[in-house]
Amino acid sequence: NAGVMQNPRHLVRRRGQEARLRCSPMKGHSHVYWYRQLPEEGLKFMVYLQKENIIDESGMPKERFSAEFPKEGPSILRIQQVVRGDSAAYFCASSPAWGRGKGEQYFGPGTRLTVT
Amino acid sequence: DQQVKQNSPSLSVQEGRISILNCDYTNSMFDYFLWYKKYPAEGPTFLISISSIKDKNEDGRFTVFLNKSAKHLSLHIVPSQPGDSAVYFCAASLGQGAQKLVFGQGTRLTINP
Repeated sequence: NAGVMQNPRHLVRRRGQEARLRCSPMKGHSHVYWYRQLPEEGLKFMVYLQKENIIDESGMPKERFSAEFPKEGPSILRIQQVVRGDSAAYFCASSPAWGRGKGEQYFGPGTRLTVT
Repeated sequence: DQQVKQNSPSLSVQEGRISILNCDYTNSMFDYFLWYKKYPAEGPTFLISISSIKDKNEDGRFTVFLNKSAKHLSLHIVPSQPGDSAVYFCAASLGQGAQKLVFGQGTRLTINP
């Protein structure tokens, strides 16, 4: 039973380039979440998606950031025109549908984005 | 606005003893509280959770206690083992089963042999 998969694990981008981070949820999970962790800080919620729908994007910066979870394929977090402050670890998590589990989300290994 | 706080950045415990990690929260609407463990360069791993309607949940060596009046929860690990050395995050949820998690800053636990 494969866990949450993220790729790439490490991504280096120059300022102004685009970064695309991918996430495949656990089998049977229909909810995907993206979090960002800056050095020495806790994880901060960015966005919550279900298939083809953004449910809550209250943690997403207003500009340059977007996320999608298409009907087929992985969820994508896209950062346009990256700046040095975007350097962080980005974690994807998934959970089963409402009413199941104990409130937990299952996390992938993360993508470490470095902007030079 | 830090709704979930872990005031101890680090904790050192002797192997075999009890480890107690603490967490405080401000939002009384949280309905699930969770603990995650994180090793370097890995994603957080779910450990244990507790519903806001309970005051204790136990799973093997891990027990979580919730004091709603004090808006405080704690994770007890007994006995502590070297493999428990990691960063522990407290998190809270506003919706059962699927909603965003609000994380504390983490506590680095070191188990000494």
